[in-house]
Amino acid sequence: NAGVTQTPKFRILKIGQSMTLQCAQDMNHNYMYWYRQDPGMGLKLIYYSVGAGITDKGEVPNGYNVSRSTTEDFPLRLELAAPSQTSVYFCASSSRGGGYTFGSGTRLTVV
Amino acid sequence: QQQVKQSPQSLIVQKGGISIINCAYENTAFDYFPWYQQFPGKGPALLIAIRPDVSEKKEGRFTISFNKSAKQFSLHIMDSQPGDSATYFCAASMGRDNYGQNFVFGPGTRLSVLP
Repeated sequence: NAGVTQTPKFRILKIGQSMTLQCAQDMNHNYMYWYRQDPGMGLKLIYYSVGAGITDKGEVPNGYNVSRSTTEDFPLRLELAAPSQTSVYFCASSSRGGGYTFGSGTRLTVV
Repeated sequence: QQQVKQSPQSLIVQKGGISIINCAYENTAFDYFPWYQQFPGKGPALLIAIRPDVSEKKEGRFTISFNKSAKQFSLHIMDSQPGDSATYFCAASMGRDNYGQNFVFGPGTRLSVLP
């Protein structure tokens, strides 16, 4: 009964480093999403996927990449980290037409 | 046309009072209007949702009021408690394909309930 699991919970990166944020769901949802939330701000969609092998850009995709090889997993890759990518990242999933279930987030700081 | 406007940005209410958060949308194709509650350090969680075939939905102390002609909907929290202090997001989505640009979040309202 885990829902959406994100790892790690916290991470500090140096400028130019790369990392992968992991997201897994156990609800057999076809749709998965990555959002970023800056302090005091709303949610901005980075990438989404409507099924294994299918991904598409959201509102703020620059500097990120995703892949979806299985229904369960939707990792987010940051290449060449920049201070502007300091944020809290949320993964979410949904069934078709259903509400979104969010993970607990990854707090990323780029220094 | 895909925007959802939300007000106020922040709200302070005394314990026992009524908290009211308003949202407005433009796209008449939206047909599902959820509210999400987010506590500090946590992800947003679905609180309550409504579809446009009803004008009101109540779950415990939480009520959504929906005005289709005005393209507005609001969240009312009755008998507000300090434990309700959180950020609330309204959202709107379109049909069964509720992903990408078809699912839009409002900017959020930070609610503080004073003891």
